[in-house]
Amino acid sequence: EAGVAQSPRYKIIEKRQSVAFWCNPISGHATLYWYQQILGQGPKLLIQFQNNGVVDDSQLPKDRFSAERLKGVDSTLKIQPAKLEDSAVYLCASSPAGEAYGYTFGSGTRLTVV
Amino acid sequence: SQELEQSPQSLIVQEGKNLTINCTSSKTLYGLYWYKQKYGEGLIFLMMLQKGGEEKSHEKITAKLDEKKQQSSLHITASQPSHAGIYLCGAVPPDMRFGAGTRLTVKP
Repeated sequence: EAGVAQSPRYKIIEKRQSVAFWCNPISGHATLYWYQQILGQGPKLLIQFQNNGVVDDSQLPKDRFSAERLKGVDSTLKIQPAKLEDSAVYLCASSPAGEAYGYTFGSGTRLTVV
Repeated sequence: SQELEQSPQSLIVQEGKNLTINCTSSKTLYGLYWYKQKYGEGLIFLMMLQKGGEEKSHEKITAKLDEKKQQSSLHITASQPSHAGIYLCGAVPPDMRFGAGTRLTVKP
């Protein structure tokens, strides 16, 4: 079974630039999550999708962050404009609908904002 | 929301030594997960605990869940350099929330 794919693995941008991350979940997994992990901290949930609908985006900074999951499969997370404090690893995870034990994480995208 | 506190924050042990990492929840635990993370990489699932008193083992890693104390512990026996990394506990529901992690260094 293929895992959760994320790209790019690394990204360095200047502050005020925009950036986008891509995630391809495990086939058949209805639920997709984006987490932000700042160095030295645990992952923090940004947004949760169920198919192509948003279930929880309460911790997504909506003034600069946006995410979509068109057709209920792939997802993109965008930051515009980026700030220095956005430097973090962005992790994507997926799970079968309603099954918490099925969480599978991608390798993450390490973003550095300079 | 669920708050998880892990201790210690970091741990340095000599190869071959045993160690324990703790995870305490501010709320009732319905499911507790342990993950391992190499620096800057994704999370690797280790174990899931759902029932009070449940204990699971994988190779030299054992995890226990104490529902009454709202706590889980992860124990590594005879640590090896391959055990080094960040150990994270996560809890549900409604979705996976994590502790801050414990950074483990194993000295050869």
